[in-house]
Amino acid sequence: AQKITQTQPGMFVQEKEAVTLDCTYDTSDPSYGLFWYKQPSSGEMIFLIYQGSYDQQNATEGRYSLNFQKARKSANLVISASQLGDSAMYFCAMREGLSGSARQLTFGSGTQLTVLP
Amino acid sequence: DVKVTQSSRYLVKRTGEKVFLECVQDMDHENMFWYRQDPGLGLRLIYFSYDVKMKEKGDIPEGYSVSREKKERFSLILESASTNQTSMYLCASRYQGPGANVLTFGAGSRLTVL
Repeated sequence: AQKITQTQPGMFVQEKEAVTLDCTYDTSDPSYGLFWYKQPSSGEMIFLIYQGSYDQQNATEGRYSLNFQKARKSANLVISASQLGDSAMYFCAMREGLSGSARQLTFGSGTQLTVLP
Repeated sequence: DVKVTQSSRYLVKRTGEKVFLECVQDMDHENMFWYRQDPGLGLRLIYFSYDVKMKEKGDIPEGYSVSREKKERFSLILESASTNQTSMYLCASRYQGPGANVLTFGAGSRLTVL
């Protein structure tokens, strides 16, 4: 079974509007961490935001927020006020186990976001 | 800022050649990783190393080996390259301790095997 599922291969959004990128995960470990990365066309992977499984509040970083719904096992990325520079591939990833454990990150297949002028 | 440097951005090799992909990080990170990225498949873990001389297989280790003789350097080796190993290869490193343990990636190495 897929551990990380991103069901939207491609998304379009109008500049200045908000967009939600979906991510669902599957784990039986009560301790885990969820990450979102951005990959522009240049290829580098840029860390955006992190949510720990025990964090009570949804993570926010500037225009990025993570809509963490633990019971539904979803960790959707919300980008507010989209900009042309947000056009990129976005990956959701999960680390099972406590932070500080040498556990790998499992990635989803990604969502290609295009921001329209 | 942590820097992860991959030695080659683009490589073209012939089937059967031995290929070395080198990765160096400069922040004394314990963990290092090699991922492969293919369209529609996301990033898949080939091998990772949680410390010097330690390595563990990831999800797709077949056809690959790794070496970590020094903490800062993690090498991916294709003993006999095949066309199905044409891909983008991403190296990453991570501090192993309290906190989010964010992976920091290199710029990637795009390998074409003819």
